[in-house]
Amino acid sequence: NAGVTQTPKFQVLKTGQSMTLQCAQDMNHEYMSWYRQDPGMGLRLIHYSVGAGITDQGEVPNGYNVSRSTTEDFPLRLLSAAPSQTSVYFCASSSTGVPNEKLFFGSGTQLSVL
Amino acid sequence: GDSVTQMEGPVTLSEEAFLTINCTYTATGYPSLFWYVQYPGEGLQLLLKATKADDKGSNKGFEATYRKETTSFHLEKGSVQVSDSAVYFCALKVGDNKLIFGAGTRLAVHP
Repeated sequence: NAGVTQTPKFQVLKTGQSMTLQCAQDMNHEYMSWYRQDPGMGLRLIHYSVGAGITDQGEVPNGYNVSRSTTEDFPLRLLSAAPSQTSVYFCASSSTGVPNEKLFFGSGTQLSVL
Repeated sequence: GDSVTQMEGPVTLSEEAFLTINCTYTATGYPSLFWYVQYPGEGLQLLLKATKADDKGSNKGFEATYRKETTSFHLEKGSVQVSDSAVYFCALKVGDNKLIFGAGTRLAVHP
């Protein structure tokens, strides 16, 4: 019962460094998404994907790249980290878009950019 | 644009007290509405949902009714427990592929 797995759980970066946050799900879900959670602002959608080979931007895509080469994996790339990207990042998936289906969330990655 | 507004927290209650967390929304059309809960150190979990006006979602003693006339989806529970301490998020579905979340309301329940 792995569900949605995110790695790493914690990461500290220096400004300008790059890194990839990993997200994998074993439920054969077509839809996957990345959110960032900031105090007082709730969750904001960064990017999402409705299937392998298809990605689209959410509310706050700048500074982040994604790709979806397989159904299982949806990595989030920070090409040049900035302090404004300090946040908690959540990956979420669902079986078919989000019409009436629920999102399954990973346990989050806490990222600090110094 | 579409948005969700929740009451600011934290909400602090004694065990067995009545809980209300207010949520109002702005949206075009008739969105589906959700409440998610986040326990410490975990990701969000769906608590309940409602897909059309006057629907009542319920789960684990929590309830929320979709009120189109007041654009609201307030979360209620008659008797809270310490284990209900968490952050609660109201959300609405936009189009086919996006959920918009409110800022979250932290609930602390004391024995």
